[in-house]
Amino acid sequence: QVQLVQSGAEVKKPGSSVKVSCKASGGTFSSYTISWVRQAPGQGLEWMGRIIPIFGTANYAQKFQGRVTITADESTSTAYMELSSLRSEDTAVYYCARDEIAAAGMKVYYYMDVWGKGTTVTVSS
Amino acid sequence: DIQLTQSPSFLSASVGDRVTITCRASQGISSYLAWYQQKPGKAPKLLIYAASTLQSGVPSRFSGSGSGTEFTLTISSLQPEDFATYYCQQLNSPFTFGPGTKVDIK
Repeated sequence: QVQLVQSGAEVKKPGSSVKVSCKASGGTFSSYTISWVRQAPGQGLEWMGRIIPIFGTANYAQKFQGRVTITADESTSTAYMELSSLRSEDTAVYYCARDEIAAAGMKVYYYMDVWGKGTTVTVSS
Repeated sequence: DIQLTQSPSFLSASVGDRVTITCRASQGISSYLAWYQQKPGKAPKLLIYAASTLQSGVPSRFSGSGSGTEFTLTISSLQPEDFATYYCQQLNSPFTFGPGTKVDIK
């Protein structure tokens, strides 16, 4: 059974960067992708991007392009999300999630079936 | 990017009610849609994927339907533990979420 354990809460100054980790246990880390999703206080869910650890390739939501970097270390089964140039609007809970795959004929369906508990990032001067 | 809208944004219902939430996509997404339930202070929980496939362990009172641009999540008989916020998500990269529907106690 796959579990995702995230790093602890962070408090950052505007303009700085934050790096959140997500360590997977159980399953084969390289066989699935990891997405990052954030949720500002009282707001909805926002997908930020994902990484395919086996290829080391990542793709990002346009909103975060140039400011977010998602990486993975297969040797430790850990994914990372680094967000730079932080501003107060980046105050949120950041979740990692496993993107599982179901194949049906020629179609491949992704879905996020395992989630970390979230990491609270507070940006404040 | 593909935009999702949900209706209603807020729903007040009683235990035992049949509840339907609609999710609309700004362009066709085939069946690349999932539904999640989120309770305060908790991570989202997957309910449905591929528009209509029930995730293992999710009660059968939850069902999903639709294809293309219009999708529905139905709870056939609302239970006390179902009061939560529900999100749809489209899974054509880049993935996006709908704004959510809060289901509250009447």
